[in-house]
Amino acid sequence: QKEVEQNSGPLSVPEGAIASLNCTYSDRGSQSFFWYRQYSGKSPELIMSIYSNGDKEDGRFTAQLNKASQYVSLLIRDSQPSDSATYLCAAAFNNAGNMLTFGGGTRLMVKP
Amino acid sequence: EPEVTQTPSHQVTQMGQEVILRCVPISNHLYFYWYRQILGQKVEFLVSFYNNEISEKSEIFDDQFSVERPDGSNFTLKIRSTKLEDSAMYFCAASASALNEQFFGPGTRLTVL
Repeated sequence: QKEVEQNSGPLSVPEGAIASLNCTYSDRGSQSFFWYRQYSGKSPELIMSIYSNGDKEDGRFTAQLNKASQYVSLLIRDSQPSDSATYLCAAAFNNAGNMLTFGGGTRLMVKP
Repeated sequence: EPEVTQTPSHQVTQMGQEVILRCVPISNHLYFYWYRQILGQKVEFLVSFYNNEISEKSEIFDDQFSVERPDGSNFTLKIRSTKLEDSAMYFCAASASALNEQFFGPGTRLTVL
């Protein structure tokens, strides 16, 4: 059973701070990892993908992957109130179907 | 930037009725997916579709569900006889390859009464 686990939150940070979101996964065969942002009532919006161990930076976002620990994280620098949303971690085992297994999401609240 | 589009945005139906949810994937994307999200719960995989065939399906995707790409652009999900527990947001997604990121459409909210 492939599972992805996230702390549901809410995680509350002040504006301008760094938000740190974490995710663990159960299937060692998982090879691709994605962070999505989901505003209430909206669809998941892709933020970042990460495929190999280490850090990957894109603007204010940094994704970190540690396959040995089965751990993925997302750092958001200079958090803004508009970053307030639920952040979904997803993992894919790269077979032909490439289904994504999602975590339950962490709700982030950035306070002005 | 090209987007995945879905219609309708909201569908209300009576239990036992058939519904068809429609998606227009990004034009150069070849892999298509359906997911659903029951209110307050996780996003769940239903089915993936490539080269006019189902690649993978979950336990949720039983014989009441079917998918097809009838005209080379639209990608549809049919639920033959809806149940109350089918009420959810249904998301279509597309990717350029099996290894690439999946981009989600805005979703169809299905309400079964």
